[in-house]
Amino acid sequence: DSGVTQTPKHLITATGQRVTLRCSPRSGDLSVYWYQQSLDQGLQFLIQYYNGEERAKGNILERFSAQQFPDLHSELNLSSLELGDSALYFCASSLRGGPTYEQYFGPGTRLTVT
Amino acid sequence: EDQVTQSPEALRLQEGESSSLNCSYTVSGLRGLFWYRQDPGKGPEFLFTLYSAGEEKEKERLKATLTKKESFLHITAPKPEDSATYLCAVPYTLAGGGGADGLTFGKGTHLIIQP
Repeated sequence: DSGVTQTPKHLITATGQRVTLRCSPRSGDLSVYWYQQSLDQGLQFLIQYYNGEERAKGNILERFSAQQFPDLHSELNLSSLELGDSALYFCASSLRGGPTYEQYFGPGTRLTVT
Repeated sequence: EDQVTQSPEALRLQEGESSSLNCSYTVSGLRGLFWYRQDPGKGPEFLFTLYSAGEEKEKERLKATLTKKESFLHITAPKPEDSATYLCAVPYTLAGGGGADGLTFGKGTHLIIQP
């Protein structure tokens, strides 16, 4: 158990819909990352937040957005869903930003778009 | 664009049969090379970070090494519980060339250890 929690574990929805994935980082961690893992693209970095502020964007689509709240939990919002958005979405957290801090991954949310 | 390439894609070994997994990377100014283990349906689990050529780190039956162009994950006398997908990663490079703390992952090596 990494200490990172994600809800829900599974989500099934239809194309065109909007969903919100939630992540609670490990206690004390200020940095939160979102990743998408699909069979064809592998594990891809989407976005990072640090202490409530957006820190860096990776391969995140414009239909996707995220935020980090004052209690440091984070939400990833996916809208106008397409079949290709079906994937595992992972949240990770680290104590601070920077490569010297290990990233701890949550168990993931499996999104299925039908 | 930074690239991380892992080989082989899959590897099947007998219990006790040592081997190495390869991770080659093309990055300008390496800020760390990371190894993770991922079990099916679970999140990646951190194993090692290497920062400079020549550096080595060990954990139980695993040893990671780093050169200027590649990293190896050596598995000595593996056991069935070492079966997993092993991922290597480097820090993500932003479009403008700056560094980010997110990671760019390789596709992984799927390792199966048969009893």
